[in-house]
Parts: sequence; C-alpha cells; structure tokens
Amino acid sequence: DAKTTQPNSMESNEEEPVHLPCNHSTISGTDYIHWYRQLPSQGPEYVIHGLTSNVNNRMASLAIAEDRKSSTLILHRATLRDAAVYYCILRDVIRGGADGLTFGKGTHLIIQP
Amino acid sequence: EAQVTQNPRYLITVTGKKLTVTCSQNMNHEYMSWYRQDPGLGLRQIYYSMNVEVTDKGDVPEGYKVSRKEKRNFPLILESPSPNQTSLYFCASSLSSTQGEPQHFGDGTRLSIL
Repeated sequence: DAKTTQPNSMESNEEEPVHLPCNHSTISGTDYIHWYRQLPSQGPEYVIHGLTSNVNNRMASLAIAEDRKSSTLILHRATLRDAAVYYCILRDVIRGGADGLTFGKGTHLIIQP
Repeated sequence: EAQVTQNPRYLITVTGKKLTVTCSQNMNHEYMSWYRQDPGLGLRQIYYSMNVEVTDKGDVPEGYKVSRKEKRNFPLILESPSPNQTSLYFCASSLSSTQGEPQHFGDGTRLSIL
C-alpha cells in the first residue's frame, strides 16, 4: 500500500477552521483517499473519502491536489468535540476490499477553548 | 440507531481460559472485521468476513478464531488466551467489501490477559 505522511500533532482554536494535511506522493491512480478519526476511548469513525475531486459532507471537506500527491481535510468550524487523532488512509480499489484499513500514527488534533 | 455493538467492553482474565468477544451490527452489512490496537503499532486486522460462512485471515490471526453463522454477528474467540493478546479490540462492519465503503467501528473491548 502507498504510504501517507501526516504531522504528529496540530493545535487550533475553537470555532476556527482547521486544515489537516496529508502527503501521499506514491499514490496510485486506483487509490481512494480515506479519512477516519478516533476520539478518546472510542473506535475509529469514518469522516470522508474521495478519489480525484474535492468532496464535502456534513462533517468535513476533503481537498485533493490536482496531482493527487497530497490532500487536506478541512473542518470548517472546530469544536472541542473534534479533538481526536485523524488518520489519512489510502485504499486500492483494484486489490479488492478484503484488506483491512492500515492506520498509521495520524495527527493528534488539539482544540483550545 | 445504526451501530456496531461489542461485548464485553472490559475483561480481565487469566492465561488459558477460553473467552469470546461478541460483535453485532444492525445495518445488514455484508463485511465484518476484527482489529487489535496496540501502542506504537496502530490497528492491525485479525480476521475478516466478506459474508455469511465466509471468513479469512487478516494480518495477525494467530491465536484467534472467528465464525460468521449469521449476517449480524461476528464473534472473536480466544481458545487459549495468552498475555501477548492483551490489547484493545475493535469490530468493524461495512455494507460491502468495496474500497469506497466506509467502515463502522464498535467502541472497543479492552482485554487484559494475566
């Protein structure tokens, strides 16, 4: 699987936008970009995913670079409940879905009140 | 409410005493999976099931068994637990096994094997 690189931690203020970067320079044309987050004492939670175009849902937006070598998860207005570890994960659509999700170390997002 | 339910949430037991961690989902999902999470190692897949009566090994299957007799349930069985199986376990499900489908996770089961 192609690797992703994320900052270990980021800090933001409540009610401000947060931009979480992810580098994936070896991404293949058939890799989806998925984002999950894990709140303290909870299981991972799906946030958003995309292939080439930018994506929006009720939780966040995903901006994908034109060359697909990087992406950014955007939380438009962070709340204290958004404090979590955020994982950027690539999944190859060709290999089939049996493979489990490969979680790296992720980015620990700290939200200051 | 759509959810994945694991039981128990916490368990302390001793080496060699068989235990089962149950997992149930109410979303009619075909695909289910078990992971363990250890500090510094991230989540690693133990076993997965593409559908009823279809199971296969993940990355770290040694010491574990699973079964998938019904679509909603996917229990994880430790026949003879050992201390190196002390970990945080998560069950997950998704509508199908296609790569675009998000996985839904339970809240985890913390196992301590003494």
